[in-house]
Amino acid sequence: KQEVTQIPAALSVPEGENLVLNCSFTDSAIYNLQWFRQDPGKGLTSLLLIQSSQREQTSGRLNASLDKSSGRSTLYIAASQPGDSATYLCAVIQATNTGNQFYFGTGTSLTVIP
Amino acid sequence: GAVVSQHPSWVICKSGTSVKIECRSLDFQATTMFWYRQFPKQSLMLMATSNEGSKATYEQGVEKDKFLINHASLTLSTLTVTSAHPEDSSFYICSAREWQGASPLHFGNGTRLTVT
Repeated sequence: KQEVTQIPAALSVPEGENLVLNCSFTDSAIYNLQWFRQDPGKGLTSLLLIQSSQREQTSGRLNASLDKSSGRSTLYIAASQPGDSATYLCAVIQATNTGNQFYFGTGTSLTVIP
Repeated sequence: GAVVSQHPSWVICKSGTSVKIECRSLDFQATTMFWYRQFPKQSLMLMATSNEGSKATYEQGVEKDKFLINHASLTLSTLTVTSAHPEDSSFYICSAREWQGASPLHFGNGTRLTVT
């Protein structure tokens, strides 16, 4: 069974710092990997989707990398801002006979201090 | 680690019938559970937030009479899709949180509902 782990569970940084969030998974037979953001009381917002054949994806200040063989993904946030404060989740997606199956990590709670 | 069990993982039903999806926290008490829905190629959408022993809080646009949520105990929340229509076909996921604040979210593996 796929297990997804995110480290650290919580992170607090001063504004302007670059930071890295880590995600590891146990089964490398994945279809996609997706990073989400969740704000309190809100639904999930998709940040970046990495296909299994890709190594990284970039969107603005965000860069996500994927190393399938080692079962790792990182989300790099450059020049952090207070508005980046949220919970960040990674999800490993595996294809099944009945459709795509999501396996979520437990999230990293990020606080960016002004 | 904390485990959330969601059942069934997939279900096919006929139009007009009701379907119940269960979300259980297996080794922790979940004070709050969330229900999400995902449309193809879109992100997860929060449907409702349920706290044990009280009525669920539904997001705007979600019909509470159609999507009945019951959080009767600290380890079980259920989502019942009543009088299902083909447009209700979707992927539903629950998540549970142990306590308030920065408590980790634990997700079920989701339920794929197909209404014929």
